[in-house]
Amino acid sequence: DAGVIQSPRHEVTEMGQEVTLRCKPISGHDYLFWYRQTMMRGLELLIYFNNNVPIDDSGMPEDRFSAKMPNASFSTLKIQPSEPRDSAVYFCASRRGLAGHEQFFGPGTRLTVL
Amino acid sequence: GDSVTQMEGPVTLSEEAFLTINCTYTATGYPSLFWYVQYPGEGLQLLLKATKADDKGSNKGFEATYRKETTSFHLEKGSVQVSDSAVYFCALSHTGANSKLTFGKGITLSVRP
Repeated sequence: DAGVIQSPRHEVTEMGQEVTLRCKPISGHDYLFWYRQTMMRGLELLIYFNNNVPIDDSGMPEDRFSAKMPNASFSTLKIQPSEPRDSAVYFCASRRGLAGHEQFFGPGTRLTVL
Repeated sequence: GDSVTQMEGPVTLSEEAFLTINCTYTATGYPSLFWYVQYPGEGLQLLLKATKADDKGSNKGFEATYRKETTSFHLEKGSVQVSDSAVYFCALSHTGANSKLTFGKGITLSVRP
């Protein structure tokens, strides 16, 4: 299996622009997670889905952030408009079944907002 | 709510030194406990896990024992290598269908040749 795939790997944009991050989970996994990692705040869970349905979006920082999962093999995290404080590494992860099972992480997207 | 506390870092060791990274947790019931590792430029990956009290997880020479009485899951390795340099995260999760991982802040380990 190819693992969790994220694109792009790096994104540099200017403040105010829309940014879309993409994730393809491992085939057969029914949970998908979006995380953000910064030096100051560490690893934060933003939102997660089960069978394409958002379960908990309490970690989404504000209305500028939105996430969708239109089907079992694709999810997006969108930031509109972007701000410099959104600069971070964004990880997507997927899992099959119950919480005791391993969560597989993608390589991350490094976002820089100028 | 649930929380995971890791010792402050970073940690720098010489090759072949003994490693202990402390982790304690606060949670109701009997969560599963995990150690994840993040190598430079990569995503996190599972290192080991334990699902009930007194279980020992082990992988790649690393070990951790689930201690319910002290609510701890300390990570140990008898002889570290330069290739073990990474960030280590302790985490817990309940077993409910929609449970999520609660991570500690992570600790950076650097191993000198």
